[in-house]
Amino acid sequence: GENVEQHPSTLSVQEGDSAVIKCTYSDSASNYFPWYKQELGKRPQLIIDIRSNVGEKKDQRIAVTLNKTAKHFSLHITETQPEDSAVYFCAGGADGLTFGKGTHLIIQP
Amino acid sequence: DGGITQSPKYLFRKEGQNVTLSCEQNLNHDAMYWYRQDPGQGLRLIYYSQIVNDFQKGDIAEGYSVSREKKESFPLTVTSAQKNPTAFYLCASSPLGANEQYFGPGTRLTVT
Repeated sequence: GENVEQHPSTLSVQEGDSAVIKCTYSDSASNYFPWYKQELGKRPQLIIDIRSNVGEKKDQRIAVTLNKTAKHFSLHITETQPEDSAVYFCAGGADGLTFGKGTHLIIQP
Repeated sequence: DGGITQSPKYLFRKEGQNVTLSCEQNLNHDAMYWYRQDPGQGLRLIYYSQIVNDFQKGDIAEGYSVSREKKESFPLTVTSAQKNPTAFYLCASSPLGANEQYFGPGTRLTVT
């Protein structure tokens, strides 16, 4: 089955700086890669996703890149704000999703 | 995601008791999923169902059971056979053939 690895487990950045979270996957059949944001005690919220026929996707301050050859994809958040503080999960799959273990993003004022 | 509800938000049980967690959706989604979330472990798939009266085991199904008698409902029973049941349980749903999954608010189960 699919195996998704996520790094780092914790990321602390200064407000206004950029944050990058990276994930790798093992199954070349995986074709869908979403990113979820989870605030403390809340449900995971889908913030952006990318399919295997696309290399990059942007939505305002967030972007995701996908390298199918290397089997890795990354989340980029620019101009970070305090409300970006949360745990972010990547996932990958075809029929279902396998999740990474999450990255706790801390935005320092 | 407002169309997926889970109840109750917090649940407390004594060891040895079975407990059923509710998940309901009014999004007309065909597929439904149950995940377990532990600190530092991400989300792990317990069971999923793509159609009424059919469901499949996920990665950690032991000690759990489900039913899918209605499209809108996918209850999860945590049995006494589950060795470490204390966790945050999340239900999700997606339209058939679509990859996007939308989550309910979760139920935090504590077993003592």
